[in-house]
Amino acid sequence: GENVEQHPSTLSVQEGDSAVIKCTYSDSASNYFPWYKQELGKGPQLIIDIRSNVGEKKDQRIAVTLNKTAKHFSLHITETQPEDSAVYFCAASIRTGGFKTIFGAGTRLFVKA
Amino acid sequence: NAGVTQTPKFRILKIGQSMTLQCTQDMNHNYMYWYRQDPGMGLKLIYYSVGAGITDKGEVPNGYNVSRSTTEDFPLRLELAAPSQTSVYFCASSSETAGNQPQHFGDGTRLSIL
Repeated sequence: GENVEQHPSTLSVQEGDSAVIKCTYSDSASNYFPWYKQELGKGPQLIIDIRSNVGEKKDQRIAVTLNKTAKHFSLHITETQPEDSAVYFCAASIRTGGFKTIFGAGTRLFVKA
Repeated sequence: NAGVTQTPKFRILKIGQSMTLQCTQDMNHNYMYWYRQDPGMGLKLIYYSVGAGITDKGEVPNGYNVSRSTTEDFPLRLELAAPSQTSVYFCASSSETAGNQPQHFGDGTRLSIL
C-alpha cells in the first residue's frame, strides 16, 4: 500500500541552530503535502503545506521543499527556539478514495536552550 | 469558534465493555475523520465521512463503528473493547477533502483498556 517515510525519528538541536526533517512518499499521484506540529497533550496543528505545482514555500522561520521527481519533501526550521520542541508529522495525499492523507511516523524535536 | 471538540479526554475501560467517543465541530465542515495514534506509529485512519449520512472505512476499521447523522457530530463507537484498542484517538475535520485541504484536529481522547 501507499506509505510515507519520515526521518529522523528524534532530533536534538541547540537553540538558534537549524533543524531539517525529511519525508519520502510512494504515490506518484500525491499532490498535497501538509506538515503538522503536535505539542504535548494536544492534537496536531497545521504549520505549513505545499502543493505539487510549487517547489518551495516559506513562512517566517519555517520552509518546506518538494522534489516531485525524487518523491521527497522536507521541513526546514531556522533559528530554532525552545518552543519549537514538539512532534512534527509530514503527510501526503493519496489518490485512493480521493479523501485521505497518510502520515509519517513523526519526528520528536528537542531544542536545547 | 471552538473548532473540533472531543469528549471525554481520558477513559479507562475493562475488556469487553463498550463506549462512544464524541466529536463535534462548529466550522460547518463536510469532511470528518477518526484516527488512532500509537507510539512511534503516526496517525492511522479508522473511519471517515464526506457528509451527513455518508461514512466509509479507513486503514484500521475493525472493532469500531461510526455514524454521521448531522454535519456537526461524528461519534466513534467501540463495541467490545480489547487491549489492542488502547490508544489516543483524534477526530479531525476539513472543509474539502483531506487530499487537498488541511485538517483541523481535536485534542484527543486517551483510552486505556484493562
